[in-house]
Amino acid sequence: DAGVIQSPRHEVTEMGQEVTLRCKPISGHDYLFWYRQTMMRGLELLIYFNNNVPIDDSGMPEDRFSAKMPNASFSTLKIQPSEPRDSAVYFCASSLSGTKNIQYFGAGTRLSVL
Amino acid sequence: GESVGLHLPTLSVQEGDNSIINCAYSNSASDYFIWYKQESGKGPQFIIDIRSNMDKRQGQRVTVLLNKTVKHLSLQIAATQPGDSAVYFCAETYSSGSARQLTFGSGTQLTVLP
Repeated sequence: DAGVIQSPRHEVTEMGQEVTLRCKPISGHDYLFWYRQTMMRGLELLIYFNNNVPIDDSGMPEDRFSAKMPNASFSTLKIQPSEPRDSAVYFCASSLSGTKNIQYFGAGTRLSVL
Repeated sequence: GESVGLHLPTLSVQEGDNSIINCAYSNSASDYFIWYKQESGKGPQFIIDIRSNMDKRQGQRVTVLLNKTVKHLSLQIAATQPGDSAVYFCAETYSSGSARQLTFGSGTQLTVLP
């Protein structure tokens, strides 16, 4: 299994530009999570999906952030317009419903907004 | 609000010694705990988990101890190796709930000295 796949690994953009981060969860997993990690705030849950449906987006910072999951094998996190304070590492994770809740993480996308 | 926190932000140990990483949690409803390891430039990686009906669980070179009375969790690494250098996070959740979020601690940086 290839694990959770995120792209791009690194993204450098200018303030005001649109940024789209992509994630392919582990095949068969029915939960998908987007996190943001910074030194100041640690690992923060932004939003998660179950069977492609957003369940809890209370962690999304503001309306500039949006996430979609058009099918079971693909999700996007979009920031429009981006701001320097959005600079962080963004992780996607997936898990399989059942008796445990182990989330498997991708390698992350390091976003720098100049 | 309730949260998961770590006692020590950094820990340095000599190669070959045992390491103990601590974690305090405050949500008494949590019944499932996970330890993750995050190496530089990578996403968090699952190490070991434990349910609240257990007080000890062993893996390969790692042991997790759970003390529900004082809401304390620890990760013990035997014969620490250079490859163990990483940030270690504990995470908590309650498996009986409909929510699938993990609440992560702030992390402990483990450095293995030669």
